[in-house]
Amino acid sequence: RKEVEQDPGPFNVPEGATVAFNCTYSNSASQSFFWYRQDCRKEPKLLMSVYSSGNEDGRFTAQLNRASQYISLLIRDSKLSDSATYLCVPSNDMRFGAGTRLTVKP
Amino acid sequence: GAVVSQHPSRVICKSGTSVKIECRSLDFQATTMFWYRQFPKQSLMLMATSNEGSKATYEQGVEKDKFLINHASLTLSTLTVTSAHPEDSSFYICSASDAAANYGYTFGSGTRLTVV
Repeated sequence: RKEVEQDPGPFNVPEGATVAFNCTYSNSASQSFFWYRQDCRKEPKLLMSVYSSGNEDGRFTAQLNRASQYISLLIRDSKLSDSATYLCVPSNDMRFGAGTRLTVKP
Repeated sequence: GAVVSQHPSRVICKSGTSVKIECRSLDFQATTMFWYRQFPKQSLMLMATSNEGSKATYEQGVEKDKFLINHASLTLSTLTVTSAHPEDSSFYICSASDAAANYGYTFGSGTRLTVV
């Protein structure tokens, strides 16, 4: 049973590009979500929380679309250090999907 | 911010032995603890959810007698892999939250288990 679905990618973008990922969820009762990033062979780290009003933190913007049941993550001005796997998860159900692999290239 | 300390970070054990992995919440009370397993190039797979003072809830297909979880206090949860076999070799990782999930869910740094 998958609560979230993500395009596994990989997304290969040049430095400075803007890139967006979507994450669809199946439980319409989910009220909030988390975006995590996971570097290879490391633990996931919380990137941002997403509530009904969305969230913005520097170059990162997350939004929630309840009607279509997806959340999005937008990364502006991509840096090499943004290369990672990005994972979304509902806050009430911590089952992760496969995540989306991003590689930012020079 | 919330910190979860996980030990050991790396362990090699012989087939048939048991390995205990500890996760401690250092600056908050971990009401809920999740245990995951991750094989190379695969996604995090939730193994079980534990709430302090009660029995863990295991995901379908995860053997509760093989993966023993104890969450006896609000700051400590342990996962014991019993009678380990080479196919149990994986990256095991915990995450924890306080009751209100004020910090989201914080992950430990993971334990890389190799069974030889």
